[in-house]
Amino acid sequence: QKEVEQNSGPLSVPEGAIASLNCTYSDRVSQSFFWYRQYSGKSPELIMSIYSNGDKEDGRFTAQLNKASQYVSLLIRDSQPSDSATYLCAAPSGNTGKLIFGQGTTLQVKP
Amino acid sequence: DADVTQTPRNRITKTGKRIMLECSQTKGHDRMYWYRQDPGLGLRLIYYSFDVKDINKGEISDGYSVSRQAQAKFSLSLESAIPNQTALYFCATSGDRKTNTGELFFGEGSRLTVL
Repeated sequence: QKEVEQNSGPLSVPEGAIASLNCTYSDRVSQSFFWYRQYSGKSPELIMSIYSNGDKEDGRFTAQLNKASQYVSLLIRDSQPSDSATYLCAAPSGNTGKLIFGQGTTLQVKP
Repeated sequence: DADVTQTPRNRITKTGKRIMLECSQTKGHDRMYWYRQDPGLGLRLIYYSFDVKDINKGEISDGYSVSRQAQAKFSLSLESAIPNQTALYFCATSGDRKTNTGELFFGEGSRLTVL
């Protein structure tokens, strides 16, 4: 089992809809989780981090963490075509300090 | 100028050749990483270094070696390249244990093709 798993998609949503991206992780020691966005041909960039159970909102983005279920999600409200990208979930591996990524979910927002 | 610079950005080589990918950073970070990205597989960690004297293997280190020449420089070598090492390679940095928020800062990537 991979340490961090995502559905590779593609996930297709119409413009203005809510996009829901999901991620599960296997290491119960992990305390922090990250969502990176990667446009085609570009390097990943951090868009959200979450450390506590519950929701964290930043503009149109909401990260949700459920440590009991080892589940983290990213909601994108009012999706725009410019949100079309690959979204990578990441978590530290134990106490090593290294960051492990899921395989990424490709999001397509159709006008 | 980019804070994390990778060279070369693109390289085509032949099977059996030795290749070095270089990474330098101006962020003053102690921690540096090399990741490989293949379609559908996300980012996989090859090697990481928490300081000049600390080098660690990642998920997929076989066939690769690294050198941390200075705090700001971390190079990745393929001693004898093979076609399945064709991929997009990213260097990344992060802060030390006290300042580390977990955020990685990536270079622009080095696309390597092995024929």
